[in-house]
Amino acid sequence: GQQLNQSPQSMFIQEGEDVSMNCTSSSIFNTWLWYKQEPGEGPVLLIALYKAGELTSNGRLTAQFGITRKDSFLNISASIPSDVGIYFCAGQDYGGSQGNLIFGKGTKLSVKP
Amino acid sequence: NAGVTQTPKFRILKIGQSMTLQCTQDMNHNYMYWYRQDPGMGLKLIYYSVGAGITDKGEVPNGYNVSRSTTEDFPLRLELAAPSQTSVYFCASSYRGEQYFGPGTRLLVL
Repeated sequence: GQQLNQSPQSMFIQEGEDVSMNCTSSSIFNTWLWYKQEPGEGPVLLIALYKAGELTSNGRLTAQFGITRKDSFLNISASIPSDVGIYFCAGQDYGGSQGNLIFGKGTKLSVKP
Repeated sequence: NAGVTQTPKFRILKIGQSMTLQCTQDMNHNYMYWYRQDPGMGLKLIYYSVGAGITDKGEVPNGYNVSRSTTEDFPLRLELAAPSQTSVYFCASSYRGEQYFGPGTRLLVL
């Protein structure tokens, strides 16, 4: 089946630093989504990408839909302590099973004040 | 708008017991999903529904059942709980492919 490779698995950074994480797929997706999950809560949608090459921002977060449609990255600029959490990428293939999402295993972000 | 709500938040079951995890959404979304999340792993799809009366299996459906009698509700049923079903369960609904998640139910089977 389809698989998503998300990297890095975890990051420990200093407050104020920029962060970059990415996802690659073995197959093409039509939509890429990025979620953040905080302890004890459900994932919250951060950014949705619908077109190859699309670059979208949400505050200090920027995500891009790769030209090949097999990858996406998420950047966080000037990190702050509340950025702590697990970030998941998810891809959707409308040609597949009712457009269900395939999730990466997550990038755990820790921010040192 | 409450979004997606789930009950209970936490439950301990004995092996062989049954229970229903409740999920309700007030966004009038047709698509709804159940996932399980195990430590260090992503989300795995258990069942999904594209509308009232229509359900289908996801990646890990064994040991679970679902029903969808209304647009709003999508309960997940465990008939004979097993330790392997210890996990955190998330319900989601979607619009335009964007899935919105509930807060989760933490289940411990002993």
